[in-house]
Amino acid sequence: QITLKESGPTLVKPTQTLTLTCTFSGFSLSTSGVGVGWIRQPPGKALEWLALIYWNDDKRYSPSLKSRLTITKDTSKNQVVLTMTNMDPVDTATYYCANIAARLIPHWGQGTLVTVSS
Amino acid sequence: EIVMTQSPATLSVSPGERATLSCRASQSVSSNLAWYQQKPGQAPRLLIYGASTRATGIPARFSGSGSGTEFTLTISSLQSEDFAVYYCQQYNNWPPRSTFGPGTKVDIK
Repeated sequence: QITLKESGPTLVKPTQTLTLTCTFSGFSLSTSGVGVGWIRQPPGKALEWLALIYWNDDKRYSPSLKSRLTITKDTSKNQVVLTMTNMDPVDTATYYCANIAARLIPHWGQGTLVTVSS
Repeated sequence: EIVMTQSPATLSVSPGERATLSCRASQSVSSNLAWYQQKPGQAPRLLIYGASTRATGIPARFSGSGSGTEFTLTISSLQSEDFAVYYCQQYNNWPPRSTFGPGTKVDIK
């Protein structure tokens, strides 16, 4: 059974850096073809893909947010970390991590709501 | 960038009725189109991929069709648990570009 869980601060101040950790089980990020991605959803709005990292450390970012994002993995801990710099109130959203397989998103974490406010 | 649009924004349907949701891509995505269902307070769930293939455990009342730029999700007989928001997602040129549609909310008539 594949599970993923996001952790990190629920409140950050404008201009601060957000660091989110995805801890997963049921699959290995050293298996060929496997990836872990981050998707966010502002309250009442649509989904927005942010970044993903593959088993071979190939990293891909949303072009519109690339300058602010960094994604890394720790295969031994079954964790993926996303950092987003220069947070703004418009970045208030639920942040999901997800298992990526063959470009599909079959498994999602429960999500974590991050509020950006002073 | 491929832009996805969905219609209608809200669809009011009575239980037992058929629901037809549309998704359009601004350029061809071949059959690289997925549908997700999201209930309030929950993460999305993969329903359909490859435009027409049901994901594991998805009931047969859900079906997808289309290719290129026009796609349809049909729910043949709505059950109470099907009232939710449905998103389409193209993965033709992903990564790095993957786009979700704005969603269609299916609510009770």
